[in-house]
Amino acid sequence: KNEVEQSPQNLTAQEGEFITINCSYSVGISALHWLQQHPGGGIVSLFMLSSGKKKHGRLIATINIQEKHSSLHITASHPRDSAVYICAVGTGGSQGNLIFGKGTKLSVKP
Amino acid sequence: DAGITQSPRHKVTETGTPVTLRCHQTENHRYMYWYRQDPGHGLRLIHYSYGVKDTDKGEVSDGYSVSRSKTEDFLLTLESATSSQTSVYFCAISARSGSTRPYNEQFFGPGTRLTVL
Repeated sequence: KNEVEQSPQNLTAQEGEFITINCSYSVGISALHWLQQHPGGGIVSLFMLSSGKKKHGRLIATINIQEKHSSLHITASHPRDSAVYICAVGTGGSQGNLIFGKGTKLSVKP
Repeated sequence: DAGITQSPRHKVTETGTPVTLRCHQTENHRYMYWYRQDPGHGLRLIHYSYGVKDTDKGEVSDGYSVSRSKTEDFLLTLESATSSQTSVYFCAISARSGSTRPYNEQFFGPGTRLTVL
């Protein structure tokens, strides 16, 4: 079983819709990350959070430590939001590496 | 921008040939990582480095070696490339410069697409 599970795997939305992507994890974490990867592009960090909620523009990330669950919300979605969204967790170990989910491919249609 | 570059950005090679990928950073970060990204898998750690000449294995290290002779450069070598090593390779750095421990935030290079025929 993967330590970081994302749902859904694929998501198609119409422009303007509210979008939610979910991430569940089974390990103890020091922080959870949401990353964005555009087609053929590099990986960009959107959020790093260890509790509560963070907001940046139309993007909101929440985390529930007790339930080991995080959500990424996109309000008023736009075609430029089309990308793969990746959830990753840092366990705080000496390696410092992240454990990644498989990603959610989002396509927003105009 | 954490000043991370990777070279080459694209490479096609034949089975059995050696291949070296380079990751270069300009920010003096201590921790550097090599990941590979494949369809159906999340990014997986190949090797990481916690200082000059200090490296260790990750989850999928078989068939790969690394070297770090300078803070700014972290090299990934496929001694004898195989088709199963066709992948996109990402280098990353941990963002707490100068610390003795890694900080969880990571920044990624642009990736190298490697095809082994």
